Amino acid sequence: EDKVVQSPLSLVVHEGDTVTLNCSYEVTNFRSLLWYKQEKKAPTFLFMLTSSGIEKKSGRLSSILDKKELFSILNITATQTGDSAVYLCAVGNYGGSQGNLIFGKGTKLSVKP
Amino acid sequence: DAGVTQSPTHLIKTRGQQVTLRCSPKSGHDTVSWYQQALGQGPQFIFQYYEEEERQRGNFPDRFSGHQFPNYSSELNVNALLLGDSALYLCASSLGGRNSNQPQHFGDGTRLSIL
Repeated sequence: EDKVVQSPLSLVVHEGDTVTLNCSYEVTNFRSLLWYKQEKKAPTFLFMLTSSGIEKKSGRLSSILDKKELFSILNITATQTGDSAVYLCAVGNYGGSQGNLIFGKGTKLSVKP
Repeated sequence: DAGVTQSPTHLIKTRGQQVTLRCSPKSGHDTVSWYQQALGQGPQFIFQYYEEEERQRGNFPDRFSGHQFPNYSSELNVNALLLGDSALYLCASSLGGRNSNQPQHFGDGTRLSIL
């Protein structure tokens, strides 16, 4: 069965710290890997990665994919309290019984002032 | 530019009842996917609609059914509700059907509680 595993499941840091969130996967017919941020309700789209070794950046957030080792990391530098959320990793494939977007359980990030 | 909208935001039902949840996709999107998110878990795929047909289905029983309308909006129906159906139900829209590699965008969800 396809699976996506995120670590750690929860993390507490102080403002200004840098954090790295991990996502490993075993998914047949891999197509893409996506990161979402979920605060109260709707997961909001952060990045989509399809190629190995190419870093995507948006402000203080960045992400990279390793298709050989089957993992991705999401980095957040100079964390702020507004970064507190659950970060979801999802892998897109070309269809299967689990659907074409398979999610991990998420990493809950708490940023203390 | 309107994002994905879902209604209602909250719903309380009792066991055995049925429920209908609604979703309007982001402007310009034609594909709607539904997910169930239990507390502390990632979203689990229920099914996807494109061109008014169910194109892909996850591991959910037939009690879960859906529909897509010509304006691309969608409904999720759940019959014979069980306590275990209590969850946040998320709708996501995208462009181009199951073979598209476009990211899905999510609505705020409907919180369904079964008593």
